[in-house]
Amino acid sequence: AQSVSQHNHHVILSEAASLELGCNYSYGGTVNLFWYVQYPGQHLQLLLKYFSGDPLVKGIKGFEAEFIKSKFSFNLRKPSVQWSDTAEYFCAVNSPHTGTASKLTFGTGTRLQVTL
Amino acid sequence: EAGVTQSPTHLIKTRGQQATLRCSPISGHTSVYWYQQALGLGLQFLLWYDEGEERNRGNFPPRFSGRQFPNYSSELNVNALELEDSALYLCASSFNQPQHFGDGTRLSIL
Repeated sequence: AQSVSQHNHHVILSEAASLELGCNYSYGGTVNLFWYVQYPGQHLQLLLKYFSGDPLVKGIKGFEAEFIKSKFSFNLRKPSVQWSDTAEYFCAVNSPHTGTASKLTFGTGTRLQVTL
Repeated sequence: EAGVTQSPTHLIKTRGQQATLRCSPISGHTSVYWYQQALGLGLQFLLWYDEGEERNRGNFPPRFSGRQFPNYSSELNVNALELEDSALYLCASSFNQPQHFGDGTRLSIL
């Protein structure tokens, strides 16, 4: 069975600080990896995804993540956060599946609070 | 492009009642997924429908059920509601990857 761990439950940063949110997964096979963001009062939105190829993936709003297979990690980074990045961030995995997307297994989420 | 739409936005029920939640996927998406986001429990997978068939279900009791219609929209039914069913129920849709989420239905059990 797949599982996802997000080590930071609540992170508080000042604007312009750098961000790194940890995500580790447990699964013996090939996985697809995702980061979703949930802004206050809004639906879950896809930040970025990794299927294969270059382990450094770039997403929307200046976010990036690096897949390190040997560490089963997919950490999210942003060099300089903005107040508008205040949100909850979820790491998720699923298994590659022919023709469609299999169920997502989510981490428990990290609440990011950016102060002015 | 219209996103995933869910109805109703809020639903208030009492213990023992039945609830029906609805989801319309993005046009062209054939898979629909249901997730429960309960306080303190994170996002838990409930059900996955693809081309009208149930493909997988999460670790939830049988009183959680659903179906997918020929137009790919979906219903989630929860029978014999219990207090712990209070949660935000999220629907997602996809055609291959990735999954796109709706705003959710907040179900409150009194």
